[in-house]
Amino acid sequence: ELKVEQNPLFLSMQEGKNYTIYCNYSTTSDRLYWYRQDPGKSLESLFVLLSNGAVKQEGRLMASLDTKARLSTLHITAAVHDLSATYFCAVDDGTGNQFYFGTGTSLTVIP
Amino acid sequence: ETGVTQSPTHLIKTRGQQVTLRCSSQSGHNTVSWYQQALGQGPQFIFQYYREEENGRGNFPPRFSGLQFPNYSSELNVNALELDDSALYLCASSLRGQETQYFGPGTRLLVL
Repeated sequence: ELKVEQNPLFLSMQEGKNYTIYCNYSTTSDRLYWYRQDPGKSLESLFVLLSNGAVKQEGRLMASLDTKARLSTLHITAAVHDLSATYFCAVDDGTGNQFYFGTGTSLTVIP
Repeated sequence: ETGVTQSPTHLIKTRGQQVTLRCSSQSGHNTVSWYQQALGQGPQFIFQYYREEENGRGNFPPRFSGLQFPNYSSELNVNALELDDSALYLCASSLRGQETQYFGPGTRLLVL
C-alpha cells in the first residue's frame, strides 16, 4: 500500500527561526507536490518537483526532492506569522492519474 | 481567467440520501480530480476525469460516481450516504500534461 508520511504533524516555531518539514513516500513516482491550506480554506499549490535533485524556492520556503531516498523537504527560513497554515505533500502514481496526500503538518508561527 | 468553482458551499443530508456536488474547471483545463478531506486529515483521492472518462480511481466504493461534461465541468454523486461521508469535498482542475492542480473552495457535506 502506498504511503505518504509527513513529520512533524504539528510544529510551533518562533518568528525568525528556521525549520524543515519532511515528507517520506513509498511510491516510485518522481513527482512530488507541496500544498498549503489555511484553516477552513482550500488548497494552494506551492511547488511541483519533477525530478531527482529538484529544488524550488519561493520567498521563505524552499522545497527539494531526493527520489532515491523517496524524501522531500520543505525548508522554512526566518519564519513569519503569515506562514502559519497546514502544509501537505503529495505524490502521484507516476502517470498523473492518481494522487496520494500526506497527513499534513500544522505550522504555527508565534511572535 | 475564472478559477475553479464549486457548488453548493455547504450541504446537510441524512443517512441513506443521495447528493450531487458540482465543479466548474478553470478555463482551458481538461482534467478534473475529486478529493474527500475529513476533518484534520489530508485529502483522499476519489477519482479523476479526462475527456469525459474516468481516468483513475482511489479506494472509494462504487456509490461514489462522477461525470465530466463536454465543457469540462464535473459532478460528484454519492449514493446511500453514510455518516462517515461527512467531509470537505474538493475538486481540482488541471491541463493534461501539466502537473499543477488548481483547487476549488470545496463543498462541506454533513451527513446526519
